[in-house]
Amino acid sequence: SQQGEEDPQALSIQEGENATMNCSYKTSINNLQWYRQNSGRGLVHLILIRSNEREKHSGRLRVTLDTSKKSSSLLITASRAADTASYFCATGGGSNYKLTFGKGTLLTVNP
Amino acid sequence: NAGVTQTPKFQVLKTGQSMTLQCAQDMNHEYMSWYRQDPGMGLRLIHYSVGAGITDQGEVPNGYNVSRSTTEDFPLRLLSAAPSQTSVYFCASKGTSGGATETQYFGPGTRLLVL
Repeated sequence: SQQGEEDPQALSIQEGENATMNCSYKTSINNLQWYRQNSGRGLVHLILIRSNEREKHSGRLRVTLDTSKKSSSLLITASRAADTASYFCATGGGSNYKLTFGKGTLLTVNP
Repeated sequence: NAGVTQTPKFQVLKTGQSMTLQCAQDMNHEYMSWYRQDPGMGLRLIHYSVGAGITDQGEVPNGYNVSRSTTEDFPLRLLSAAPSQTSVYFCASKGTSGGATETQYFGPGTRLLVL
């Protein structure tokens, strides 16, 4: 069963705009991760936020985590055409090696 | 390092045929896993392994077998292919000690079409 659910399913923006994607999950977690998948490729790890963290930054990425609402958001600032990809949240980790992925958000950044 | 490699990249099978999808990693990772990705379904875990000689089932294991005789290799076997197994298959690995142990590294995928 899917643990994470991304919202929206698809997002189309113009280059330079910010993109925000949300992830909701059902059970308590050790950490939450975001991955990117370019068309026809494997997934690439972007950022991990632990359950005791509320916000984390990596370059143009900002991730927030609200464990009380069981939700996370991924913000990509000043988007570029190269950011066009599907973005997935994944939960699990720690002593539980398994990761459970959501269905993803397809982001299209128009030049 | 080559990272995680998968072969073949693309395969067409007839219903009832068997085949093995190969996965190898050169990062000395203990944990390896297989996912399938279908449109609108995200990634679903098929089988995983926490070390050589140890495997376990994931969310959708039926119709698939795995073995882990070495740290490097984690092949996925389709015993009798069915059209429902048409999918893109991803292998992933991660370390279980030291820093960054939560990051999974994915292979490029194998596209399988079962007719």
